[in-house]
Amino acid sequence: DGGITQSPKYLFRKEGQNVTLSCEQNLNHDAMYWYRQDPGQGLRLIYYSQIVNDFQKGDIAEGYSVSREKKESFPLTVTSAQKNPTAFYLCASAYTEAFFGQGTRLTVV
Amino acid sequence: AQKITQTQPGMFVQEKEAVTLDCTYDTSDPSYGLFWYKQPSSGEMIFLIYQGSYDQQNATEGRYSLNFQKARKSANLVISASQLGDSAMYFCAMREGTGNQFYFGTGTSLTVIP
Repeated sequence: DGGITQSPKYLFRKEGQNVTLSCEQNLNHDAMYWYRQDPGQGLRLIYYSQIVNDFQKGDIAEGYSVSREKKESFPLTVTSAQKNPTAFYLCASAYTEAFFGQGTRLTVV
Repeated sequence: AQKITQTQPGMFVQEKEAVTLDCTYDTSDPSYGLFWYKQPSSGEMIFLIYQGSYDQQNATEGRYSLNFQKARKSANLVISASQLGDSAMYFCAMREGTGNQFYFGTGTSLTVIP
């Protein structure tokens, strides 16, 4: 089936630890996105990529990093510099409309 | 200025009735796309409907229709014959022709009452 796969579904991070969220798509889309959603809030753009080996910062990129080495993959690393990382993270890819993964819920413990 | 504005934080509708969720947008790009997404409590974002800025007719997808009023820069979602499963958050979004970003509104929480 074509779609976007995010893993893991739930992730727990200790203080000062880096964690990486996986996002893979088999829709052959050039554009990929990472969003953060806090409870009761809308989506805020972290990073997006229009092509392999190129990506742009969104509105809240501080404390996050990404890579785009393959068209299919756009992993997001939440670094220790992100002081309040507990949130719901959504990955998407798009040609016209955006298709989203199931999301990853990250909690700091 | 906000690119997408959704002014209804919460809405209630009786089962089997129709409901309109409001969305206004702001862009100077003549080419753009407008989208509506549904987010149930599980968190996934489900694409519902798309309207292109040059489309002459309002988009429809099953029970969903988009009331596109270009001069007023509004793109309201109409859900007909509401069902209990329609209870969810609904987000309006826009993508400008010159860019790749999607701009999302703050969402409207819809509750369908039996």
